Amino acid sequence: QSVLTQPPSASGTPGQRVAISCSGSSYNIGRITVNWYQQIPGMTPKLLIYTNDQRPSGVPDRFSGSKSGTSASLVISGLQSEDEADYYCAAWDDNLNAVIFGGGTKLTVL
Amino acid sequence: EVQLLESGGGLVLPGGSLRLSCAASRFIFRNYVMSWVRQAPGKGLEWVSGISGSGNSAYYADSVKGRFTISRDNSENTLYLQMNSLRAEDTATYYCSKSAYCSSSSCYRTNNAIDYWGQGTLVTVSS
Repeated sequence: QSVLTQPPSASGTPGQRVAISCSGSSYNIGRITVNWYQQIPGMTPKLLIYTNDQRPSGVPDRFSGSKSGTSASLVISGLQSEDEADYYCAAWDDNLNAVIFGGGTKLTVL
Repeated sequence: EVQLLESGGGLVLPGGSLRLSCAASRFIFRNYVMSWVRQAPGKGLEWVSGISGSGNSAYYADSVKGRFTISRDNSENTLYLQMNSLRAEDTATYYCSKSAYCSSSSCYRTNNAIDYWGQGTLVTVSS
C-alpha cells in the first residue's frame, strides 16, 4: 500500500472533465511539491505536471494540477480518447527520505 | 535528444546478484541527479534509488536499503545499480531516469521531477 493514495480507477466520456486525487501526509505533499506522470500502456512514463501545477512544454493545457494541504489533484478537461492511460502522482517523503509514487489511477475514456 | 540506455537485466536465482548499467548521452550527465525506478509486471511505479550529480549523496527506498547500491561514473556518463540478495519481489522492469532540474540532493528533495526515462531492462528473480 502506497504512502500516496490514489483511486485505482477513473472514467469519463470524450469532452468531459475528470479529476484524479492524490492523498498524502504532512511528511510529503503537506510540505513538498507534487509531480504527475502519464503512462500509456506499453510506453515509458511521461512527465505531465511538475511542482504542483507546472506543465512541461508540449503538454496540452487540458492538463492541470493543484495542491491543497496534504492532497493534490490532476484535472483533465476536454477528455480525449488518447488520454486513456495510467496516471501517477509522486513526491519526496521526509520521513522515508525517498521519492514515493502513488499507486496509480487507470483512466478509461468511455 | 537525451538518451538513456539500460543494460544488465536478466534471469537470476533468489539470493543472487546483478549489476544494471545505464549509458547516458546528449546532456551534461554530471549536472543531474539520476535515479532508478522499477515497475513489476502489471503493477505501478516504484522509485528505487537516486544519486546526486556529484555522486556524494544517495537515497534508497526502504524495500531495497542494504541490498542495492547506486553509483555513477561521471567520466563515462554511466549510472549503475548493484543489486544483491535479490528476491522474487524484485522482479520488475528497471528504468534509468534523469532529474528534470536538479544536481544536488537538496534541490532534488523539493523538485524531483523526472523528464527522461530509458526503455527499461527486465530483471526476473526466480528459481
